[in-house]
Amino acid sequence: EPEVTQTPSHQVTQMGQEVILRCVPISNHLYFYWYRQILGQKVEFLVSFYNNEISEKSEIFDDQFSVERPDGSNFTLKIRSTKLEDSAMYFCASRNRANTEAFFGQGTRLTVV
Amino acid sequence: DQQVKQNSPSLSVQEGRISILNCDYTNSMFDYFLWYKKYPAEGPTFLISISSIKDKNEDGRFTVFLNKSAKHLSLHIVPSQPGDSAVYFCAASDTGTASKLTFGTGTRLQVTL
Repeated sequence: EPEVTQTPSHQVTQMGQEVILRCVPISNHLYFYWYRQILGQKVEFLVSFYNNEISEKSEIFDDQFSVERPDGSNFTLKIRSTKLEDSAMYFCASRNRANTEAFFGQGTRLTVV
Repeated sequence: DQQVKQNSPSLSVQEGRISILNCDYTNSMFDYFLWYKKYPAEGPTFLISISSIKDKNEDGRFTVFLNKSAKHLSLHIVPSQPGDSAVYFCAASDTGTASKLTFGTGTRLQVTL
């Protein structure tokens, strides 16, 4: 069964460092998303990406965040200068059209120290 | 701004009985609703969805009911099994091109023997 894959599963970084979280969405999907979940809280939307551009972003997705789909298969989330409060599980998701289920990856646990 | 609410943080049900998880929403633009199951340190797994043109959708042991006038949906699991123990999130999206999912805060279901 096709699945969304994310790497790494766990990333520890020092405050102020840049991190790149990687995702390989399901191959025929057109819509891509990043979400995050701070421990014990709800899953929060960060950004959606369609047709090679950002469709929507949340207030969390400030200038420190960026997304890319560099090669038609990978979908990356970059945080330029990490803060302690960026520590969370980051989930990538994809769907093949609007108003269908989104499939989520297993997540990357980001720990900023 | 909690557009999707799950007012019960936890629920305990005996094996074999019915589990009913509830979700309320405030945004009248939402027209597609989903339920996800989530284990710790894993990504959300899609369970079942419903479009706003329907009031019920059934898939095996899982049934989702939608009451648009009350802006309320519920997930019924019959019969409940110990493997159903997890956190359940309801989510909603609107008709935007790359419409994001807005998640509720989750309900932890524990199915006891």
